[in-house]
Amino acid sequence: QKEVEQNSGPLSVPEGAIASLNCTYSDRGSQSFFWYRQYSGKSPELIMSIYSNGDKEDGRFTAQLNKASQYVSLLIRDSQPSDSATYLCAVNTNAGKSTFGDGTTLTVKP
Amino acid sequence: KAGVTQTPRYLIKTRGQQVTLSCSPISGHRSVSWYQQTPGQGLQFLFEYFSETQRNKGNFPGRFSGRQFSNSRSEMNVSTLELGDSALYLCASSPTSGGSWETQYFGPGTRLLVL
Repeated sequence: QKEVEQNSGPLSVPEGAIASLNCTYSDRGSQSFFWYRQYSGKSPELIMSIYSNGDKEDGRFTAQLNKASQYVSLLIRDSQPSDSATYLCAVNTNAGKSTFGDGTTLTVKP
Repeated sequence: KAGVTQTPRYLIKTRGQQVTLSCSPISGHRSVSWYQQTPGQGLQFLFEYFSETQRNKGNFPGRFSGRQFSNSRSEMNVSTLELGDSALYLCASSPTSGGSWETQYFGPGTRLLVL
């Protein structure tokens, strides 16, 4: 079992729809959770960070964390073609080590 | 503030050679991490340096090594290159180390092709 697993994708949604990206992790000692977006040929850039159970909203993006279920998700509302990218889930342990999932590729069709 | 810079951006080497990649973190950042990204394996952690000391290390063979200088700039070296080392090598910096909550800021990467 991988330490961080993401829904394999690719995921395709129509413009204006909600895109849902999921991530599970195996280390119960994980403390911090991040979503990065990576456009083709570019480096990852941070979208959201979440540290406690519940929802965290930032514009069209909402991150959800459930530590009991070892699950973190990212919802993108009103998806735009510019949201088409690979989304990486990253999990940090208390020791500061980062583990990334393999990513989910999202395509938003106009 | 200038972002994370990496040099060179592209590199072609042949099997058996060695290569050195360079990373300059964001000004004031003291932690530098290195990652290897390939289509098959995703983004894999190589090592992290803070104050010239390696704090964390991933599961890579000893051919992969790194160091950090007093100005926080970091280099990574791969000796005896293999075809499987072809990848995008990403450097990321963060203000300090040991804080699991810290965001990492990625550089543009060095794309290495081993022939």
